[in-house]
Amino acid sequence: EAQVTQNPRYLITVTGKKLTVTCSQNMNHEYMSWYRQDPGLGLRQIYYSMNVEVTDKGDVPEGYKVSRKEKRNFPLILESPSPNQTSLYFCASSSTGGLSYEQYFGPGTRLTVT
Amino acid sequence: GESVGLHLPTLSVQEGDNSIINCAYSNSASDYFIWYKQESGKGPQFIIDIRSNMDKRQGQRVTVLLNKTVKHLSLQIAATQPGDSAVYFCAEKSNTGGFKTIFGAGTRLFVKA
Repeated sequence: EAQVTQNPRYLITVTGKKLTVTCSQNMNHEYMSWYRQDPGLGLRQIYYSMNVEVTDKGDVPEGYKVSRKEKRNFPLILESPSPNQTSLYFCASSSTGGLSYEQYFGPGTRLTVT
Repeated sequence: GESVGLHLPTLSVQEGDNSIINCAYSNSASDYFIWYKQESGKGPQFIIDIRSNMDKRQGQRVTVLLNKTVKHLSLQIAATQPGDSAVYFCAEKSNTGGFKTIFGAGTRLFVKA
């Protein structure tokens, strides 16, 4: 089954404790992206990657890091989480070679930073 | 700056009626637009897309209209069903911003039985 998986699905942590949210896709997609979703603000893009070792900032990259060492994986790293990073996070992937740039989204990771 | 917005944050329709969800965009360089549906507790799901060289595209019970003159996008859902209740997002991709995608804030659609 074609899918995007994220782990963990729920995470409660404390300020300053480094964490990583993993994202993996099995569709051989070139493009992967991370979004955060906050009430009333829709989805805001954090980082995206056009292919292995190619990453770029989205609209809200501050406080986040990403890496793309393998095509299927795109982890999101919070080196020193703060309460304003409490949010619902979505990973997505897409093919870039066709006429459609439909993004496939993971189930989401709800992060709470206290 | 670049933005994708919606005229109506909440829409309530009777089952069987048609629904129209509107979206305004500000970046005339955007060349691709998508509508996503997000059900409670799930990630967004693709509904339909349209390129800037088109003004209308139809899918199964859904139609997207693009008016580049006034930078307006709409999603029409025919014979709305209870299963259509969700939050709908429009999104745009600019051909000058790499592969950056900008989402609107979303419209919640309630379908009354």
